[in-house]
Amino acid sequence: NAGVTQTPKFRVLKTGQSMTLLCAQDMNHEYMYWYRQDPGMGLRLIHYSVGEGTTAKGEVPDGYNVSRLKKQNFLLGLESAAPSQTSVYFCASSYSRDRAFSANYGYTFGSGTRLTVV
Amino acid sequence: AQTVTQSQPEMSVQEAETVTLSCTYDTSESDYYLFWYKQPPSRQMILVIRQEAYKQQNATENRFSVNFQKAAKSFSLKISDSQLGDAAMYFCAYRRVRSQGGSEKLVFGKGTKLTVNP
Repeated sequence: NAGVTQTPKFRVLKTGQSMTLLCAQDMNHEYMYWYRQDPGMGLRLIHYSVGEGTTAKGEVPDGYNVSRLKKQNFLLGLESAAPSQTSVYFCASSYSRDRAFSANYGYTFGSGTRLTVV
Repeated sequence: AQTVTQSQPEMSVQEAETVTLSCTYDTSESDYYLFWYKQPPSRQMILVIRQEAYKQQNATENRFSVNFQKAAKSFSLKISDSQLGDAAMYFCAYRRVRSQGGSEKLVFGKGTKLTVNP
């Protein structure tokens, strides 16, 4: 099925370790987003990308880096994980223009990655 | 910056009854979209309903309907004939109308946890 795939689905890291979360979409969407979800905080935007080779900061970018070398992939990196980065991470993608026929105006979410930093 | 407020961290309803979840938002834009997303324990983000700000008519999707009060910047979700499967976190979200070159991001509220009692 077409959609957004996130890997891994679960991960436990030790403080100071690094890792990369991969988001892949096969819908030819121009825009991609990384959100984090914490209890009582809703979803907050970390970084986003409006196209291949471009990235921008969102609401809570500190401690994360991103790259979009290919249109279909958006990587989220943690260089030195901290317990405060324990969270559920969601990737989403969308078209650059509103498409009236799109059921959710182009936003498709992945199933999330649960990351625990100990 | 746009903000979305959900003032009810938790709500409960008896099966087959009706419940209303509240959402208010703050924006200086005149044209935008509003959404309600459902997140069951599976973590998947599921679009429940959307509303275009330029439309005066309230959106309806089967048992789900909204009360959109643009002047009051209020966007509540009514669930009729509640079912056990409606139990989930519900997020209200806002985004501007997408324009060429823009990257209008979804801004989420903190969520309301809905419990459905048999």
